[in-house]
Amino acid sequence: DQQVKQNSPSLSVQEGRISILNCDYTNSMFDYFLWYKKYPAEGPTFLISISSIKDKNEDGRFTVFLNKSAKHLSLHIVPSQPGDSAVYFCAASDGGLTGGGNKLTFGTGTQLKVEL
Amino acid sequence: DSGVTQTPKHLITATGQRVTLRCSPRSGDLSVYWYQQSLDQGLQFLIQYYNGEERAKGNILERFSAQQFPDLHSELNLSSLELGDSALYFCASSVGSSGSTSETQYFGPGTRLLVL
Repeated sequence: DQQVKQNSPSLSVQEGRISILNCDYTNSMFDYFLWYKKYPAEGPTFLISISSIKDKNEDGRFTVFLNKSAKHLSLHIVPSQPGDSAVYFCAASDGGLTGGGNKLTFGTGTQLKVEL
Repeated sequence: DSGVTQTPKHLITATGQRVTLRCSPRSGDLSVYWYQQSLDQGLQFLIQYYNGEERAKGNILERFSAQQFPDLHSELNLSSLELGDSALYFCASSVGSSGSTSETQYFGPGTRLLVL
C-alpha cells in the first residue's frame, strides 16, 4: 500500500524556469511533510518541511504548498538551476500517533533535470 | 554535511555471511533510524531507536537486528545474508522526544552493501 505517491518519475525544465514537483498521500494521520533531494551514491539531503497546520512554507528558492483536503503537496523551485538536478523525495510522518514511532514514509521519487 | 556519519561506505560480502553497519548521529540527537533503499523499492523504514531503547519497527527481517549504545551511536547487524539484501542502507537521526511528535530527520551518506 503506497501511502505516499509521486506519480511523475521524471521532470525536465529549463534553467531559470519554475520546477513543480508533486506528491499525493492517502494517510490522513500524516501531520508533517518533508522534501529531500538526493544525488546518486549520497544520502538524502533535507530541503524543506511543512506542518499540517500550515498551507505554505518558503525557504529561499524553495516553497512547499500543502492542500490537506486534496491530500496533496507540491514543491516549487524558482528559479531552477542546473545544480538542482537530482532525485526529489517527498516524505511524511504521523509523529508516532499510529504506533510507528517517528518513521518517515517516502514516495518513490522524481528525477528532476534542469537543462541549460 | 548532515553531521550523521556512517561506516563503512561500501561493503562486499558473500551469501550466508554477517555484517555490521555503524552510524553516529548528529551531536545532541537522541533518535536514530535505519532505512533500506533497494533497486526496485524506495526508501523503506527498518527500525528506530530513541535514547538507547527500541522505539518502532518497520518491515525489518528477523535476520536483521540493531542496537543503540550509551554514546548514542547505533549498529545494524545483518546476518545470513542473501543476494536480495544488496541495497543502500541509510541511517538518519533527529532530536528525539519521549512523546509523539514529528521531526526532521537528517540522513547519513549510506552504506552500499553488495552480497555476492
